[in-house]
Amino acid sequence: AQRVTQPEKLLSVFKGAPVELKCNYSYSGSPELFWYVQYSRQRLQLLLRHISRESIKGFTADLNKGETSFHLKKPFAQEEDSAMYYCALSGPGNTPLVFGKGTRLSVIA
Amino acid sequence: DAGVTQSPTHLIKTRGQHVTLRCSPISGHKSVSWYQQVLGQGPQFIFQYYEKEERGRGNFPDRFSARQFPNYSSELNVNALLLGDSALYLCASRDGPNSYNEQFFGPGTRLTVL
Repeated sequence: AQRVTQPEKLLSVFKGAPVELKCNYSYSGSPELFWYVQYSRQRLQLLLRHISRESIKGFTADLNKGETSFHLKKPFAQEEDSAMYYCALSGPGNTPLVFGKGTRLSVIA
Repeated sequence: DAGVTQSPTHLIKTRGQHVTLRCSPISGHKSVSWYQQVLGQGPQFIFQYYEKEERGRGNFPDRFSARQFPNYSSELNVNALLLGDSALYLCASRDGPNSYNEQFFGPGTRLTVL
């Protein structure tokens, strides 16, 4: 079964501290992994995907197939990073997104 | 382009009624997907349409149905509403049917069933 687990509902960090949002997945095969973000009063938007291997707003995520994880990291948190973060996966081709329950990141000044 | 638009923004219904939610995709996008987001949960897939054909269906009862029109806009219909149908309904569009095509989400319709 396809499943995405985000173990933390809420993560609070101080400004300038490192951030790691955890994501573990269950999928038989090679999934595509994504991180979506929802800022206050804004719509859900794509932050990054593992196939592009790029850094967006200072965030990176590495796919670890052995640990079936796709943790989101940022070395120095900023107040504007406060938001709801969702990890998601899909299979290849025409398959829908499967989301985790989300982690609320709160960056404290 | 205003992005994906959805109407109405909010809706209050009573049990047993039916509801129609509407979605207009980004211009040029031919694929529309619907998701249900219950409070405290991530979005859950309901339907995907591409070129007016159903391309995928999530684990939802037959009370849920959808369609896509020639202009690629879409409607989600829910019959015989239950209290548990209260949720934020999200529409997402992309320019192709496949997972490598980025999905763009609308602001959602908040449905409350009393």
